[in-house]
Amino acid sequence: ETGVTQSPTHLIKTRGQQVTLRCSSQSGHNTVSWYQQALGQGPQFIFQYYREEENGRGNFPPRFSGLQFPNYSSELNVNALELDDSALYLCASSLGMARTEAFFGQGTRLTVV
Amino acid sequence: DQQVKQNSPSLSVQEGRISILNCDYTNSMFDYFLWYKKYPAEGPTFLISISSIKDKNEDGRFTVFLNKSAKHLSLHIVPSQPGDSAVYFCAASAESGTYKYIFGTGTRLKVLA
Repeated sequence: ETGVTQSPTHLIKTRGQQVTLRCSSQSGHNTVSWYQQALGQGPQFIFQYYREEENGRGNFPPRFSGLQFPNYSSELNVNALELDDSALYLCASSLGMARTEAFFGQGTRLTVV
Repeated sequence: DQQVKQNSPSLSVQEGRISILNCDYTNSMFDYFLWYKKYPAEGPTFLISISSIKDKNEDGRFTVFLNKSAKHLSLHIVPSQPGDSAVYFCAASAESGTYKYIFGTGTRLKVLA
């Protein structure tokens, strides 16, 4: 059973650019959620996908968007990057919609310069 | 507006003693709570959860207590081990059917050998 894997591990982008982060969910998991963790803060919920549909969103602007694929892997896209987007982006996978623990990947460290 | 607060940024405990990590919340709609542990360069790892219909949940060395009237929960680790040294996040959920967890800012636990 493989865990949640994210790529890339680290990324440096310039303000105004676009970025795509990727996540492979744990085997058998069909729900993926994305979190942003700024330095010194706890993770903040961005959105969640269940069976390829977004079905929950936090307080993030529309330039944060995502996709979930038929194999339940997922992408997070951020357009028009701002300096404040610099953070650790965490993907978590889980099974179904009953509230249980979510399993996190190691994260992608994004730096916007 | 911080709905989940961990007011102690750090805690040091001697090996073998009890570690008590605290968490306060403001939203009375929260009905499911979790604790995660995070090591550097790794994603958060689930430790233990509790539903609001309970006031205690135990798993090995880890026990979570929930005081709904005080809107307070705590994580007890007994006995503490050096490998427990990590950042501990408290998280809460008010929405059944999503993994929209509201995280605190974390407490860094250091267990001294």
